[in-house]
Amino acid sequence: SAVISQKPSRDICQRGTSLTIQCQVDSQVTMMFWYRQQPGQSLTLIATANQGSEATYESGFVIDKFPISRPNLTFSTLTVSNMSPEDSSIYLCSVRDREDEQYFGPGTRLTVT
Amino acid sequence: KQEVTQIPAALSVPEGENLVLNCSFTDSAIYNLQWFRQDPGKGLTSLLLIQSSQREQTSGRLNASLDKSSGRSTLYIAASQPGDSATYLCAVPTLDSWGKLQFGAGTQVVVTP
Repeated sequence: SAVISQKPSRDICQRGTSLTIQCQVDSQVTMMFWYRQQPGQSLTLIATANQGSEATYESGFVIDKFPISRPNLTFSTLTVSNMSPEDSSIYLCSVRDREDEQYFGPGTRLTVT
Repeated sequence: KQEVTQIPAALSVPEGENLVLNCSFTDSAIYNLQWFRQDPGKGLTSLLLIQSSQREQTSGRLNASLDKSSGRSTLYIAASQPGDSATYLCAVPTLDSWGKLQFGAGTQVVVTP
């Protein structure tokens, strides 16, 4: 299993600003995943973060809008840049263990005004 | 493209009744299927992971079955309690992107005392 923490747990931000979300895992993992859950919707994968290489983004998501860092095997950050109200969502960090079970952090609830 | 459907979208039962939640998927070539629980505004909690070679998994009051040939999984929750009130999501890994989960829209469960 894996225990994941995220900071901040929630934030209210103004349009045009940026927010960096931190994700910490209690064990070393090769890949970390960032998901978004818009209000009333299910989860959508934003990108996969590998340590030591560029993140891989899903269709519809770009690095300029969602830059990701992965400095080591237990930590990653996701930045939501130049925010608009449409970015209001829950952002979740996730990892997969050796048995292919996937675990999620508690999420960061972002509201953009 | 894999599509995951959950029926019903919402369910309300009195305390003590058994819950039956359904999940269907269009592509039977899955590695595994995972059930999650999500409380309002929170992250996801992994409930059960069923590998493609398994027919069912059990954890306490929870039992999940998997029928790959028919593209279905069912989550049974015995003797429901008000604390079981949450949204339940099923997800399968996509074949084109390791670690990417395709989620159903979820079933919102309310257990009334």
